[in-house]
Amino acid sequence: EPEVTQTPSHQVTQMGQEVILRCVPISNHLYFYWYRQILGQKVEFLVSFYNNEISEKSEIFDDQFSVERPDGSNFTLKIRSTKLEDSAMYFCASREYEGAGGYEQFFGPGTRLTVL
Amino acid sequence: AQTVTQSQPEMSVQEAETVTLSCTYDTSESDYYLFWYKQPPSRQMILVIRQEAYKQQNATENRFSVNFQKAAKSFSLKISDSQLGDAAMYFCAYFMEYGNKLVFGAGTILRVKS
Repeated sequence: EPEVTQTPSHQVTQMGQEVILRCVPISNHLYFYWYRQILGQKVEFLVSFYNNEISEKSEIFDDQFSVERPDGSNFTLKIRSTKLEDSAMYFCASREYEGAGGYEQFFGPGTRLTVL
Repeated sequence: AQTVTQSQPEMSVQEAETVTLSCTYDTSESDYYLFWYKQPPSRQMILVIRQEAYKQQNATENRFSVNFQKAAKSFSLKISDSQLGDAAMYFCAYFMEYGNKLVFGAGTILRVKS
């Protein structure tokens, strides 16, 4: 069964460093998302991406964040200068087009980001 | 803005018994989708069940069923014949095509006692 994959599973970085979190969505999916979950808290939407551009972003997704789909398979989240409060689990998700079952988002296993 | 409220931070159920997790949401839209996700200790997000708002019939997936009350904006999850493997955090989530994002509730921790 196709699945969303994410690398790395755990990333440790120093405050102020840049990190890139990588995701490979399911191959025929058209919509891509990043969510984050600070430990013990709810899952929060960061950004959605469709047709090679951002379609929606939250207040969390400020100028320090960017997303890219550099080729036909990868979808990346970059944090330019990490802060302590960026420590969280980051989930990538994807979904196919509208239609029966089309609104279901499939989640990757997450990348745990630790900022020291 | 759409909001999702899960009023039960934690619930316990005896193995083989039935438990209901509550969820309410706030929206002015008529077309939307509701989901329950399970998050075990591995923190993987697993879809349990979904409900389309335009469908009156409550969704069912094996031991999992929902009670969808559109007028009351309520979407509860019933787990029958609870198993130890059901122990997890459960999130209720709302999706509307316009906006293109999932909005999650705070989650309910479900503990299953043997």
